[in-house]
Amino acid sequence: QKEVEQNSGPLSVPEGAIASLNCTYSDRGSQSFFWYRQYSGKSPELIMFIYSNGDKEDGRFTAQLNKASQYVSLLIRDSQPSDSATYLCAVEDGYKLSFGAGTTVTVRA
Amino acid sequence: EAQVTQNPRYLITVTGKKLTVTCSQNMNHEYMSWYRQDPGLGLRQIYYSMNVEVTDKGDVPEGYKVSRKEKRNFPLILESPSPNQTSLYFCASSLGTGRGYTFGSGTRLTVV
Repeated sequence: QKEVEQNSGPLSVPEGAIASLNCTYSDRGSQSFFWYRQYSGKSPELIMFIYSNGDKEDGRFTAQLNKASQYVSLLIRDSQPSDSATYLCAVEDGYKLSFGAGTTVTVRA
Repeated sequence: EAQVTQNPRYLITVTGKKLTVTCSQNMNHEYMSWYRQDPGLGLRQIYYSMNVEVTDKGDVPEGYKVSRKEKRNFPLILESPSPNQTSLYFCASSLGTGRGYTFGSGTRLTVV
């Protein structure tokens, strides 16, 4: 069983809509949770991190964490064509940072 | 500019010819790590380092070596590369647990 699983894509959303990305993890000892964005041919870029249960908002991005359900999500509000990328969920336990395979999002104009 | 610098960006080599991919960061980060990225498999951790002279294996360490003699540098060594090591490699660094990693631009390695 993979340690970090993301909902399979690709995900296509119209411009202005909400994109919803989901991630589950298997290690209950995980302490920190991250969302990275990776444009095609580029390196991953950190866009959100969350440590506590609940919601965390940063601009058009909202991360949600539910440790009891071992579930992390990312909402992108008012999606823009520039949001078209692959989004990687990452889960940290001590020094070990594990990534999901990623969900590719396409925002169509 | 704060960054992680990897070299080379692209490398084609032959099976068995030793190679080194360099990684350097200018942010005084304690943690450094190497990942490989393959289609459908995502990013997998090869080795990580918590500080100078302190390294440990990640999920896929076979066929790789690392060293951390200075805080800023963390080279990845392939003693005898094989075609299954053809991949996109990323070096990353972090201030510490919970801080997230900054990634280098990547090295695309092809072993023929």
